[in-house]
Amino acid sequence: EAEVAQSPRYKITEKSQAVAFWCDPISGHATLYWYRQILGQGPELLVQFQDESVVDDSQLPKDRFSAERLKGVDSTLKIQPAELGDSAMYLCASSLGPWDRSYYGYTFGSGTRLTVV
Amino acid sequence: AQTVTQSQPEMSVQEAETVTLSCTYDTSESDYYLFWYKQPPSRQMILVIRQEAYKQQNATENRFSVNFQKAAKSFSLKISDSQLGDAAMYFCAYRSFRQGGSEKLVFGKGTKLTVNP
Repeated sequence: EAEVAQSPRYKITEKSQAVAFWCDPISGHATLYWYRQILGQGPELLVQFQDESVVDDSQLPKDRFSAERLKGVDSTLKIQPAELGDSAMYLCASSLGPWDRSYYGYTFGSGTRLTVV
Repeated sequence: AQTVTQSQPEMSVQEAETVTLSCTYDTSESDYYLFWYKQPPSRQMILVIRQEAYKQQNATENRFSVNFQKAAKSFSLKISDSQLGDAAMYFCAYRSFRQGGSEKLVFGKGTKLTVNP
């Protein structure tokens, strides 16, 4: 069964340091999403890509967060500098695209658990 | 903006019994999907069941079924014959299909389900 790959699974970093997360979506999935899930809450969208273009980054804290999907395949989410409040689970998901009505939901990766100390 | 509300932070059920998780949502759109996702302690978000807003018939997937009340904007999940493996966080989620817009998933805060042997 195809999976969304994410790495690392765990990351501990000191505040003010830079940190990066990687996501490889399911092959052929044009849409890629980065969600942040604070402990005890539901995931919230940070950024959505359609191929290599950003569709929605309205909730991305652009002063410290950046995301790219240069070739429209895998993606990197970066935080610089990290703050204590960034501690959360960062989930990547992918889907065929917004036009796909045979929609069985996004496929999520296992996430990266970030702890900022 | 669309919002999803899960009013039960925690629920418990005896093994083999039935439990219902509640979800309400707020939207002015007519074309949307609703989902229930399961997130076990292993973290990966797994799709349980989905419902298209234009379908009046309630969706079912084996032991999982929904009660979709469109006018009331209610979308509850019923788990029959509960099993120990059903223990997890359950998230209700909403997805719209707006032309040219973000089709992100909007999640509720989740309900933690405990299954007692």
